Amino acid sequence: DAGVIQSPRHEVTEMGQEVTLRCKPISGHNSLFWYRQTMMRGLELLIYFNNNVPIDDSGMPEDRFSAKMPNASFSTLKIQPSEPRDSAVYFCASSLRRNQPQHFGDGTRLSIL
Amino acid sequence: DQQVKQNSPSLSVQEGRISILNCDYTNSMFDYFLWYKKYPAEGPTFLISISSIKDKNEDGRFTVFLNKSAKHLSLHIVPSQPGDSAVYFCAALSGTYKYIFGTGTRLKVLA
Repeated sequence: DAGVIQSPRHEVTEMGQEVTLRCKPISGHNSLFWYRQTMMRGLELLIYFNNNVPIDDSGMPEDRFSAKMPNASFSTLKIQPSEPRDSAVYFCASSLRRNQPQHFGDGTRLSIL
Repeated sequence: DQQVKQNSPSLSVQEGRISILNCDYTNSMFDYFLWYKKYPAEGPTFLISISSIKDKNEDGRFTVFLNKSAKHLSLHIVPSQPGDSAVYFCAALSGTYKYIFGTGTRLKVLA
C-alpha cells in the first residue's frame, strides 16, 4: 500500500538555482498539502490543493515559490531563484477529504549553499 | 503568535511506565485535534485524533484527553516502549482544512 511519495529525498544546490520538489499523493485522496519545516517556525502550511485546484496559497513565502498540481497523482513545488534561507525540510501530505488526518511523505531535505 | 503550544521540548520515561505529552491551544474555535509521531528522516505519522464533542479517545496503548475549558490536550502512552521514542506533534484544525501544528516534544523511552 503506497504512501505519499516525495522526490528527491535530499537536494543540495547553489543559491540562484531553480529547485523542483515532487510529490505523488495517495490514490483517491482529493486534498494535497505542501509544508515546510524549520527549527525556528516548525511545520508551516505553504499551499493546499483540493481536487487539483489551489485553494489556499497564503503560506507561500514569496513569489519565488510556486506550486502546481496538473493531475490527481502529481504535484510540484518550485523555488526559483533559490536562496540559503529556503533551506528546510519540505513535506507533502494528502488526505481523503480536506479536514481528515493527513498522510505525510518522508520529505525532501533541501540545502541551498 | 503560536496558537498551538507544546511547552516541553523533551521527555524521558522508563520503559513500562506512562508517558504523558501535553499540548495547549489558544483558539476556542478549534474543534478537532490530532497527534502525530515522527521518526528521524521520516514524515509525521498520524497516531490518534479527538473531536471537541469528546473528552477522551483511546486506541490501544494510546489515549488522548481533551479539556476544553483549559484548552489543553494530552497524550498518554501506557506502557511506554523503546519503539515509542520519537518526536510527537499535536495539531489543531483551524477552519475546514488547515491544521496548526505544535513544535513537538521529543520522547525518549529508556530500556
